[in-house]
Amino acid sequence: DAGVIQSPRHEVTEMGQEVTLRCKPISGHDYLFWYRQTMMRGLELLIYFNNNVPIDDSGMPEDRFSAKMPNASFSTLKIQPSEPRDSAVYFCASSLAPGQGYEQYFGPGTRLTVT
Amino acid sequence: GQSLEQPSEVTAVEGAIVQINCTYQTSGFYGLSWYQQHDGGAPTFLSYNALDGLEETGRFSSFLSRSDSYGYLLLQELQMKDSASYFCAVQHQGGKLIFGQGTELSVKP
Repeated sequence: DAGVIQSPRHEVTEMGQEVTLRCKPISGHDYLFWYRQTMMRGLELLIYFNNNVPIDDSGMPEDRFSAKMPNASFSTLKIQPSEPRDSAVYFCASSLAPGQGYEQYFGPGTRLTVT
Repeated sequence: GQSLEQPSEVTAVEGAIVQINCTYQTSGFYGLSWYQQHDGGAPTFLSYNALDGLEETGRFSSFLSRSDSYGYLLLQELQMKDSASYFCAVQHQGGKLIFGQGTELSVKP
């Protein structure tokens, strides 16, 4: 398997623009997670899905952030409108169901810069 | 609320042994995981402890004491390539993982 795939790897955009980050999890994984990493706040869980259904979105910072998982092989994280404080590395990760293994496999991340 | 505490940075020399401690306060604790992250890279899984005791995987070992809400990662025979950030993370039932702030390990020759 190619691992978790994220696109784009780098995104530079202007404040107010819409940003869409994409993730393809490892085939067969039931869980998909979106994280944000910054120096100040560390690695934060934003939202996670089980079998394409959002389970916990308590980490989503505000209504400007939304995430979808239309099928088992694709998820998006959208920021609209974007702000400079959204600049961070966004990671997507996937895993098997608890009981089958607890390792989360992370994608390479999308480095987002909002100017 | 929930919190995880680990040292912000640790320095050691090649060939040495280093221990990175992690204490946590949380509800719904299921287990403790450790992840490694090199600069600019993705976090990668190192180990997981659900029960008290020591888990050994090659040069790395991880320990958990549920009664003390404490765990540690032990790295033996340190190599330069072990220079990275190490995160403890609390696993909650249902798959949710909450990460500590990370410990930056510098291995010197």
